[in-house]
Amino acid sequence: EAQLVESGGGVVQPGGSLRLSCAASGFTFSSDDMHWVRQSAGKSLEWVSSIDSSGDTYYPDSVKGRFTISRKNAKSSLHLQMNSLSPDDTAVYYCARGSPKAAAGTGAFDLWGQGTVVTVSS
Amino acid sequence: DIQVMQSPSSLSASVGDTVTITCQTSQDINRYINWYQQKPGKAPRLVIYDASTLETGAPSRFRGSGSGTLFTFTISSLQPEDIATYHCQHYGYLPYTFGQGTKLEIK
Repeated sequence: EAQLVESGGGVVQPGGSLRLSCAASGFTFSSDDMHWVRQSAGKSLEWVSSIDSSGDTYYPDSVKGRFTISRKNAKSSLHLQMNSLSPDDTAVYYCARGSPKAAAGTGAFDLWGQGTVVTVSS
Repeated sequence: DIQVMQSPSSLSASVGDTVTITCQTSQDINRYINWYQQKPGKAPRLVIYDASTLETGAPSRFRGSGSGTLFTFTISSLQPEDIATYHCQHYGYLPYTFGQGTKLEIK
């Protein structure tokens, strides 16, 4: 069974850093594009970053220059290095797999982890 | 960035009802919109992709339609297990953006 399991969340002070990890199993991780999506309490979802199977990376302006997505295919793992964190980054962070079935790339997220909570507070 | 306006923000309906949620985008996105179901405390689940394609395992009472800038998600014969928040998401262009979500409750 395909599965994603996030880890690494916690409480960090403003300006601090945190590294999230996502362990994949049950599918060919190296072939799939992967993404991070976050959700603030009681709010909607926000796309945070993507990395395709070739290792190319993509970010929205809200995190560009602060967050870095990476992958280790040999270990079927996905990572998100978050620097210069602010209270606005407080959220549940999900890793997600991009569906290869979608017509225009892999921006349909067909497998999600359970999420890891990041709290930025002094 | 493409804006996604989802309505209503909440919806109350009875078992057996048909409910409809709408998403409107600020630009033409062809059919590049997805719908997710999210139950409390859980991760979202993809139910419809490319506007109208039912994801494997999603109930057949779920239906999506639309193209261009206006899209709808319909649940026919509402069941108690459909209680959730539903999100639309465009994916044709970066950055991907989501609607604000529709919280569906049973009367």
